[in-house]
Amino acid sequence: DGGITQSPKYLFRKEGQNVTLSCEQNLNHDAMYWYRQDPGQGLRLIYYSQIVNDFQKGDIAEGYSVSREKKESFPLTVTSAQKNPTAFYLCASRRQAHQPQHFGDGTRLSIL
Amino acid sequence: GESVGLHLPTLSVQEGDNSIINCAYSNSASDYFIWYKQESGKGPQFIIDIRSNMDKRQGQRVTVLLNKTVKHLSLQIAATQPGDSAVYFCAENIRGGYQKVTFGTGTKLQVIP
Repeated sequence: DGGITQSPKYLFRKEGQNVTLSCEQNLNHDAMYWYRQDPGQGLRLIYYSQIVNDFQKGDIAEGYSVSREKKESFPLTVTSAQKNPTAFYLCASRRQAHQPQHFGDGTRLSIL
Repeated sequence: GESVGLHLPTLSVQEGDNSIINCAYSNSASDYFIWYKQESGKGPQFIIDIRSNMDKRQGQRVTVLLNKTVKHLSLQIAATQPGDSAVYFCAENIRGGYQKVTFGTGTKLQVIP
């Protein structure tokens, strides 16, 4: 079955530590996205990528970094510069504009 | 700044009644709109979409209406069922070279049996 896989489901970060969230898709989609969701709130765009080796900052990119070396993969690193990283992180992909995004089941990041 | 927003944070409806969830947007460059349903602890699921050259689109038990004059989007769910209980988000695709998609705050739909 085609889909998006996010791992791990739960992640804990220590102070001053960088952590990387994995997102893999086998849908052959060009565009991929990372969103952050805080309790009782909507999704805020962190980064998005339209094509391999290219990505754009979203609305809340500070403290985060991404790479897009392969079409299937779009990992998100939460750096120590992100002072409030506790949230639910969602990855999405889509084939092209004017088509809906497909979402993974998220990674919940907490601070130790 | 321009954003997508929702009028009602929580909506309670009786099972079998129709539900209407509203969304206001302010970005005139948006050309494609999507409604998603999110259940607790899961990623959003696609419900229905509409392009800016349309006013209405129907799916199975769902209808999306787009009023570009007042920049308003609505999702109508017919004969609401307990399984419809979830948070509903509207999202907008901003026209341009990159595929930026932004989301509204969300409306929680509670179906009363």
